[in-house]
Amino acid sequence: TQLLEQSPQFLSIQEGENLTVYCNSSSVFSSLQWYRQEPGEGPVLLVTVVTGGEVKKLKRLTFQFGDARKDSSLHITAAQTGDTGLYLCASNTGNQFYFGTGTSLTVIP
Amino acid sequence: NAGVTQTPKFRILKIGQSMTLQCTQDMNHNYMYWYRQDPGMGLKLIYYSVGAGITDKGEVPNGYNVSRSTTEDFPLRLELAAPSQTSVYFCASSYNRDRFSNQPQHFGDGTRLSIL
Repeated sequence: TQLLEQSPQFLSIQEGENLTVYCNSSSVFSSLQWYRQEPGEGPVLLVTVVTGGEVKKLKRLTFQFGDARKDSSLHITAAQTGDTGLYLCASNTGNQFYFGTGTSLTVIP
Repeated sequence: NAGVTQTPKFRILKIGQSMTLQCTQDMNHNYMYWYRQDPGMGLKLIYYSVGAGITDKGEVPNGYNVSRSTTEDFPLRLELAAPSQTSVYFCASSYNRDRFSNQPQHFGDGTRLSIL
């Protein structure tokens, strides 16, 4: 089993603050995906990172893939209430997909 | 374009009953997946299919069965429902994945299943 550990499990911040969530594993990833899930809906892909050291930006969201491809982070700048949701990292071994346990983010107005 | 459609959205079963969770996609994706999501546990892969007629076990297949007779449909069957199968079930689909990047999985909105 490829264990993906995410931290923190829960995060509650004020609107306008910055935050970082983490995804770590003892395994090396060929690639890693970040999803966001809102209550009552399925996860929606935010980004895929493939190369060690890669940094991708999606508006106020910055995704980083560790040099050794064992970890990843998601940084949100100036959080908005619309960022509230469950953030999941995911990767695969062959056709077996594994998701992290998620970080539940609440942005308070 | 409907994407991935799951039915029913909610269901309550008695222990020992059986049911089929339906999943259909209209994106002509060849890969399809079934996951269960329990509170604080993330998503666990139950079964997946790489094309019509081909299915394989995921991380937590016990107590479930699947079939893939068409590209569009990938039903999940519970034969003897148990309380441990109370969960939210998600179906997803994606294109072929090449070696260097994974295609995004497109998820349905889930089926909330309670076994009492």
